[in-house]
Parts: sequence; C-alpha cells; structure tokens
Amino acid sequence: GGIITQTPKFLIGQEGQKLTLKCQQNFNHDTMYWYRQDSGKGLRLIYYSITENDLQKGDLSEGYDASREKKSSFSLTVTSAQKNEMAVFLCASSPGQSSYEQYFGPGTRLTVL
Amino acid sequence: QQQVRQSPQSLTVWEGETAILNCSYEDSTFDYFPWYHQFPGESPALLIAIRPVSNKKEDGRFTIFFNKREKKFSLHIADSQPGDSATYFCAASGGSNTNKVVFGTGTRLQVLP
Repeated sequence: GGIITQTPKFLIGQEGQKLTLKCQQNFNHDTMYWYRQDSGKGLRLIYYSITENDLQKGDLSEGYDASREKKSSFSLTVTSAQKNEMAVFLCASSPGQSSYEQYFGPGTRLTVL
Repeated sequence: QQQVRQSPQSLTVWEGETAILNCSYEDSTFDYFPWYHQFPGESPALLIAIRPVSNKKEDGRFTIFFNKREKKFSLHIADSQPGDSATYFCAASGGSNTNKVVFGTGTRLQVLP
C-alpha cells in the first residue's frame, strides 16, 4: 500500500499573498493531480502532471502555478490569494494513464482573511 | 466537449430502497467511468468503475449501468443503508486527452432509517 500526504493541513493567508501547498506520494505513481473543492461542490482540476517535470493545465489553472520536480512530489502555488477565499485543495495520484483509480490525499483547507 | 453532467443534485431515500444516480458525458472517446464517494470531512475514494466494453458492472449492492449509444451511465445502490449517506461523484477519463479526468458536480445522498 501507499499513502498521500499533504502539507499543511490548514493554511491561513492574507489577501495578495503567495501560498504554497505540498503533496507527497509513495505509491510510485506516474500521474499526479491538484483539484479545488469549494464547500458542497464538485472537484475542479487545476493542474496535473504525467511525469517528473511535466505540467498540464486543467480548467482552473488561472491564478495558480505548479511544480513537479520529483516523481513523488507535486506542489501548487496560489499566486495571489483572494480575500474571503475558502476551499479545500485535494492532491491525487494514479498509476499511469487516467484510466486507473485516483488516490486522494487528505486535503489542505485554505482560508484567506 | 469534455463536460460530465450529474443528476440529481441531492437525493433522499428510505433504508432498503434503491438509490439511482445518473451521469451523462459528451466526449465519445472517454474509456473509463468511475464513481467515487465522499463522506463528510473525508476525501473522495473509488467505489466502482466501468469500461465501455461492458454495459453493467456489479460489486455487492452497487451496480453501474452503462449506455454507450446514449452516452449515459448510472449508479444503482440496492438496499440502501444509512451508512451509504455521502456525496457521490461520477467521472470520465481517457480518450482524446488521456490523462485528464472530468468529474461531475456530485449527488448528495441521504438514506433515512
């Protein structure tokens, strides 16, 4: 088995601040994803990566940057936090092509004051 | 178009009844259709998935019915239990943008005892 860890668990930022969220997986999976989930809503894809140093934009990439410097880690940066923004950011990984199960991390809950 | 539509937004059934959740998609090249469930405060987890070579997939009380011609698939939860109360997301992936996964907006299921 494996595990996905996300840090931090809770993130409080100020308007305009640059904030970085980190994700680590030890499944040895090729593909990793970042999703945003707003309260009571679905999952919206921000970025994904099919291998080390690869980045692909999702539907919600504006306002975010991502980095996949190692196969096991995938980080997401909120380039300028928006006031009153609240959401959970979920990291996921899957073995290879998207036709496989995604395993999700526990999430990072972002609050912007 | 890579949209996945899900209905209903919320569903309440009595214990023992069959809950039916529906999804439709537009991209005919999608080749993997999973259902995830998410309990309050937790991350999504795979429940059951189907590929278009089959029109039905069963796992215990959970069954996916797949209609390739109409581009629709549904999740039937037989003998619903209060412990099934959760949000259910359908998704679609593969095809023209292989590693991208598109999620539906979710169905909040409540099973009353």
